[in-house]
Amino acid sequence: GAVVSQHPSWVICKSGTSVKIECRSLDFQATTMFWYRQFPKQSLMLMATSNEGSKATYEQGVEKDKFLINHASLTLSTLTVTSAHPEDSSFYICSARGGVINTEAFFGQGTRLTVV
Amino acid sequence: AQSVTQPDIHITVSEGASLELRCNYSYGATPYLFWYVQSPGQGLQLLLKYFSGDTLVQGIKGFEAEFKRSQSSFNLRKPSVHWSDAAEYFCAVGAHNTNAGKSTFGDGTTLTVKP
Repeated sequence: GAVVSQHPSWVICKSGTSVKIECRSLDFQATTMFWYRQFPKQSLMLMATSNEGSKATYEQGVEKDKFLINHASLTLSTLTVTSAHPEDSSFYICSARGGVINTEAFFGQGTRLTVV
Repeated sequence: AQSVTQPDIHITVSEGASLELRCNYSYGATPYLFWYVQSPGQGLQLLLKYFSGDTLVQGIKGFEAEFKRSQSSFNLRKPSVHWSDAAEYFCAVGAHNTNAGKSTFGDGTTLTVKP
């Protein structure tokens, strides 16, 4: 149990375009989802927290208009990188919390975004 | 605010040797602590976690970690390292209550295994 799936696993997009990343909880209802970003050879940094049906809470320094997060259902959250630029190239990882196990979040496998 | 320090950026050990990766945390209450491993280009794999109870925690792949409140530490150990253990290791502290699931990660330790 407690499986979280991200899609796509990797994506390449052109500079100036937008790209959407999906995070799904497959076998539980995720009341809260977290989005992290990891630059090469660096640690994971929390970008935002989203609760189902509410607006996301962004960490300091994260542009909410650039990284649009939607958590419209208990099994799906999406991160849209708008007007992507090469500096947005990174590994994006989501985690989800909810269901019976409410003390920790479970991670997706991550999405590698490359902006060219 | 919660924080995690992994003092060792890079560790090299010989295959078959023992391993200890250090982790120190800062948290206002009894922390939820995690160790993850990440291979290049891959996601995170949970090795073990501590919430409460026995301070010596057993995990997957032969890893264990010991929670020491007096030292604010949660060091990861393995008695005999295998070449396949070469990877990046992250220690993390998790929040409680309404923020449960929100994790703060250390900077990671890169493990190299010599043949």
